[in-house]
Amino acid sequence: EDQVTQSPEALRLQEGESSSLNCSYTVSGLRGLFWYRQDPGKGPEFLFTLYSAGEEKEKERLKATLTKKESFLHITAPKPEDSATYLCAVQAGSSNTGKLIFGQGTTLQVKP
Amino acid sequence: GAVVSQHPSWVICKSGTSVKIECRSLDFQATTMFWYRQFPKQSLMLMATSNEGSKATYEQGVEKDKFLINHASLTLSTLTVTSAHPEDSSFYICSARDRWGINNSPLHFGNGTRLTVT
Repeated sequence: EDQVTQSPEALRLQEGESSSLNCSYTVSGLRGLFWYRQDPGKGPEFLFTLYSAGEEKEKERLKATLTKKESFLHITAPKPEDSATYLCAVQAGSSNTGKLIFGQGTTLQVKP
Repeated sequence: GAVVSQHPSWVICKSGTSVKIECRSLDFQATTMFWYRQFPKQSLMLMATSNEGSKATYEQGVEKDKFLINHASLTLSTLTVTSAHPEDSSFYICSARDRWGINNSPLHFGNGTRLTVT
């Protein structure tokens, strides 16, 4: 069964304190791993797509990496506005509809 | 680009009534749209895949007669919660992918509909 597990469930950081969020996955033929940001009461906002092990993507203070078993979202020198829930999702090769399976998310709080 | 609009953003209804939620892709066409449900502090659970011009595909455990999905055009899918009950109260979110994009391109999400059944 395709599965996505994110850790930690919640993370509190001081402004400027770098850290990493983990997304472990078990999937039959990975077609893509996606990172989204979700603010309270809003829909997920797309951040990155990673397609193959070794791939890396960067955007401002965020950097996503991918191995054959997990992905990391590194946050460098975070600011309070980075506070949100970060969701990881996978698309399995077994899916012909292209649906995404989501992890539970990591809720990040950055204190000034 | 790639904007998905969902309406209404919130709705309160009485138990036993039906509620319709609309999902529109504003600047692209989508042959497939996905409906998710999210309970407080939980992740997104896929309810069904909406296919333009054909029947929706429901995930295991989701009642197709309770959650009616219609995908009548390449830019509009609707979810109707029939005979709503308090346990149907949740955050419903739709998503779509550009029909001309590759199959594993990102899904774009609407801003969700908060349904409260009293």
